[in-house]
Amino acid sequence: TAGITQAPTSQILAAGRSMTLRCTQDMRHNAMYWYRQDLGLGLRLIHYSNTAGTTGKGEVPDGYSVSRANTDDFPLTLASAVPSQTSVYFCASSDSISGGANEQFFGPGTRLTVL
Amino acid sequence: GQNIDQPTEMTATEGAIVQINCTYQTSGFNGLFWYQQHAGEAPTFLSYNVLDGLEEKGRFSSFLSRSKGYSYLLLKELQMKDSASYLCAAMDSNYQLIWGAGTKLIIKP
Repeated sequence: TAGITQAPTSQILAAGRSMTLRCTQDMRHNAMYWYRQDLGLGLRLIHYSNTAGTTGKGEVPDGYSVSRANTDDFPLTLASAVPSQTSVYFCASSDSISGGANEQFFGPGTRLTVL
Repeated sequence: GQNIDQPTEMTATEGAIVQINCTYQTSGFNGLFWYQQHAGEAPTFLSYNVLDGLEEKGRFSSFLSRSKGYSYLLLKELQMKDSASYLCAAMDSNYQLIWGAGTKLIIKP
């Protein structure tokens, strides 16, 4: 099984343009997450979804939106990119959001540069 | 506020033992996770502790003291492939993970 896939692998984007980062999982996990990882900082949660049809805001949601139309897909959209959104973006999933050793599985990441 | 502290970088010798410490402050606590992340790759799960004590899994062990807000990851018989960043993350009362910045472990022959 593929686990979690993300697309694109990397992207250079002009400031002001919009972009959607794609994330698909085949593990039938209920919960999905979007993080950004910046040098010297821990992973920061952007948005999450406990189950299909619901989404929630994380620590740094401004400038980003998500949707969860089905179990497998969790796209992240930047409506009007700014240079401070230059980062590595990781999508993750877990069986549920709570309960025990509920490890999160991560996709390979998307490296985004906004110029 | 919520905070995770871990050393930025550590160096150890192949075949030796290294302990990576982590202290945490969170609103509520639902467990402590350790992940490994090789350069340019995604984090992968190593261990989970929710009760005080030591959890051993092969060459890796993880310890938790809830009263002290403290955990460590112990790596034994170090191999060159263990060169990576080790991420500590605490789960808060909302079941969200609060992540440390990671400890870059450099293994020397």
